Amino acid sequence: EDKVVQSPLSLVVHEGDTVTLNCSYEVTNFRSLLWYKQEKKAPTFLFMLTSSGIEKKSGRLSSILDKKELFSILNITATQTGDSAVYLCAVVGGTSYGKLTFGQGTILTVHP
Amino acid sequence: DGGITQSPKYLFRKEGQNVTLSCEQNLNHDAMYWYRQDPGQGLRLIYYSQIVNDFQKGDIAEGYSVSREKKESFPLTVTSAQKNPTAFYLCASWISGELFFGEGSRLTVL
Repeated sequence: EDKVVQSPLSLVVHEGDTVTLNCSYEVTNFRSLLWYKQEKKAPTFLFMLTSSGIEKKSGRLSSILDKKELFSILNITATQTGDSAVYLCAVVGGTSYGKLTFGQGTILTVHP
Repeated sequence: DGGITQSPKYLFRKEGQNVTLSCEQNLNHDAMYWYRQDPGQGLRLIYYSQIVNDFQKGDIAEGYSVSREKKESFPLTVTSAQKNPTAFYLCASWISGELFFGEGSRLTVL
């Protein structure tokens, strides 16, 4: 059975801090790893990672994948209160239509 | 605008009643998914469909049923056999490595 584990489960920081969120996985026929941000309702897409060692970057957010050690990290620098959300990691395995397996999520709270 | 529409957004039902959640997409995507979200448990896959008239059970299909008679529509029925149906339900479609989500339906069983 495919498995995705995120850590920590929750994190409280102050504005300006840098945070690192972790995602480890075990999946059959790995295809890609995705990061999502969920505020109140639907998750919004952040990154898709398919290759080891190549950093994806968007503003203050960045992410990297290690396919040998089976994990990914999501970094957020200079955090803002608007970064407060649940961050979800999902792994795509199986068929090309992407049967996704999600982790439990990390609840990030950023205080002013 | 293209997207996924779920309805209703909020739903209250009594125990023992079946309820159907609607999911419609105009993105022309073949693959569609239903996920359930409970606090602290991330998203768990209920059912998915890769093509019209075909669907597969996910990890927690017991107590749920789906149909896929049209490409645009993938309704989910929460039956009375589902022991703990109160949850947030998300419908999604998939193309080219990205999962697109609807806004979700929050079901509360009284």
